[in-house]
Amino acid sequence: DAMVIQNPRYQVTQFGKPVTLSCSQTLNHNVMYWYQQKSSQAPKLLFHYYDKDFNNEADTPDNFQSRRPNTSFCFLDIRSPGLGDAAMYLCATSRDAGLIETQYFGPGTRLLVL
Amino acid sequence: DQQVKQNSPSLSVQEGRISILNCDYTNSMFDYFLWYKKYPAEGPTFLISISSIKDKNEDGRFTVFLNKSAKHLSLHIVPSQPGDSAVYFCAARDRGGSQGNLIFGKGTKLSVKP
Repeated sequence: DAMVIQNPRYQVTQFGKPVTLSCSQTLNHNVMYWYQQKSSQAPKLLFHYYDKDFNNEADTPDNFQSRRPNTSFCFLDIRSPGLGDAAMYLCATSRDAGLIETQYFGPGTRLLVL
Repeated sequence: DQQVKQNSPSLSVQEGRISILNCDYTNSMFDYFLWYKKYPAEGPTFLISISSIKDKNEDGRFTVFLNKSAKHLSLHIVPSQPGDSAVYFCAARDRGGSQGNLIFGKGTKLSVKP
């Protein structure tokens, strides 16, 4: 009965080689988020989709892009991964984007850049 | 500069005793605070929240206290159980910020010893 699913759980890519991380949800939530969490750091929001509306955080590098082809799926594309992009990437969903909405997280994809 | 700070990276408590996890914040625009719990290889799961108009919220063994004047909140777990061993993240929402944006602390790893 997994609600937020992330594939793969571990991803290894080469420096500069584009990589795509996947997230799907069975909750039918309107909002999907992508967070980056580096080792011993706090998770940091990269961007989120409210339905089809894309909202980028001001300090998210251009190297990071996202697609949401339908309600259930959201992808994180890293166009040219650098060594500094190695991190855990967490996908989350919420029913709405209000102040008190709970976010539900997936297990994360750990990205390694060689 | 970190807006949400969890200054204790780890905490060890005996089973049956109280666990107190602390969190400080700097942004007076934060209006809503949440605690998430994270087990290894899983995503963070929502635990308890509190609005800035309250100073206490209780849910079973978990109580969150908010001291707005000190910009400090704490999570109390009583009694602590070995299954509570996890990383606990404090998070905050800015009423004037990006919709849905959670600002996380770095987390505190709680170990409850039998």
